[in-house]
Amino acid sequence: DGGITQSPKYLFRKEGQNVTLSCEQNLNHDAMYWYRQDPGQGLRLIYYSQIVNDFQKGDIAEGYSVSREKKESFPLTVTSAQKNPTAFYLCAVNQGAGSYNEQFFGPGTRLTVL
Amino acid sequence: RKEVEQDPGPFNVPEGATVAFNCTYSNSASQSFFWYRQDCRKEPKLLMSVYSSGNEDGRFTAQLNRASQYISLLIRDSKLSDSATYLCVVTPFGGYNKLIFGAGTRLAVHP
Repeated sequence: DGGITQSPKYLFRKEGQNVTLSCEQNLNHDAMYWYRQDPGQGLRLIYYSQIVNDFQKGDIAEGYSVSREKKESFPLTVTSAQKNPTAFYLCAVNQGAGSYNEQFFGPGTRLTVL
Repeated sequence: RKEVEQDPGPFNVPEGATVAFNCTYSNSASQSFFWYRQDCRKEPKLLMSVYSSGNEDGRFTAQLNRASQYISLLIRDSKLSDSATYLCVVTPFGGYNKLIFGAGTRLAVHP
């Protein structure tokens, strides 16, 4: 069954802890993205990756880190340096260069800092 | 000024009504345009791409006005299931598939 999976669905973090959010896809798409969504705001881009072993900062990368060791996987680590990490985190994919830029989203992870 | 602006609503309409949303964007070099739908506490889902010539998908019609830098979404014969937040999305020129999202317009369809 093709698609994008994110885990966990809900995540609770204590102050000062790093946490890693998982994003996996079996669509064989090259490009993967991480966004965060806060109430009343549009999605904001954290990091993106066009190909394996390469990634770029988005608009709000501070306090986050990523890796892209496999085409299927693009995990996001929320570090203790992120001042306000409580948000809805969404992973997206698209076919990459030459596509019509449509992105398709995973079901998201809700992170709450206690 | 925000790169993509939308009226947050909510738009409260009865079933069967026709409702229209507009969205304005600030970068005249923007090259791709989309409407996404987002249900409460769910991920956004692509509703339709917006082409220069306009496009229609069933009860939904999208239009692009490059001169005035706005896109629109028209929903005819509204259904209860259309209740959601509609996100206007723009790709800047040379943006490497980067999407700029509006904050969304909330639609509530009532019986």
